[in-house]
Amino acid sequence: GESVGLHLPTLSVQEGDNSIINCAYSNSASDYFIWYKQESGKGPQFIIDIRSNMDKRQGQRVTVLLNKTVKHLSLQIAATQPGDSAVYFCAENVMNNDMRFGAGTRLTVKP
Amino acid sequence: SQTIHQWPATLVQPVGSPLSLECTVEGTSNPNLYWYRQAAGRGLQLLFYSVGIGQISSEVPQNLSASRPQDRQFILSSKKLLLSDSGFYLCAWSLYRGTEAFFGQGTRLTVV
Repeated sequence: GESVGLHLPTLSVQEGDNSIINCAYSNSASDYFIWYKQESGKGPQFIIDIRSNMDKRQGQRVTVLLNKTVKHLSLQIAATQPGDSAVYFCAENVMNNDMRFGAGTRLTVKP
Repeated sequence: SQTIHQWPATLVQPVGSPLSLECTVEGTSNPNLYWYRQAAGRGLQLLFYSVGIGQISSEVPQNLSASRPQDRQFILSSKKLLLSDSGFYLCAWSLYRGTEAFFGQGTRLTVV
């Protein structure tokens, strides 16, 4: 079964608001995490990654937070735009094995 | 730059018919190659991965098989499709196992 899961399957936000997408993982040995964005009918695209020796990593309008104590990962999107509407997946990796994906959260941005 | 091509984009096949999905990568050598399946509203399930020509590892027992006849070519096949084989199939590559994977555009397979 999947060891990576998500707290909410759907999230709806107003354009311009900040979005927070959460992910829980069960393997305490996981040492690398990636957030992917998947638009309808397309393959997932890399957004941002973080290694287990970090708590926070920032990209352009996105921030990933890692809490190893509670095995929780979050993706924060600042000033959410309609183009951010997609399904977001977290994926984990344990010691250079293959990435394991969660079920995904569908983000809908309302104009 | 590296690119990944996957075709066809959509496919409707009758139960019991064979399947062949092809994936090719350009711009890199000796990539790790992957086939994933995504059921509607679900996450990505790893089906096969390959670290080199002729080297295939299967994650789950199933009605499908994979082959890697060339370094940058990965093929997903079935001799007889089942209804449960319907789904969105994604090919991906990575430079090293456990690192960022780059995905193709996917194939929507409907078995009728």
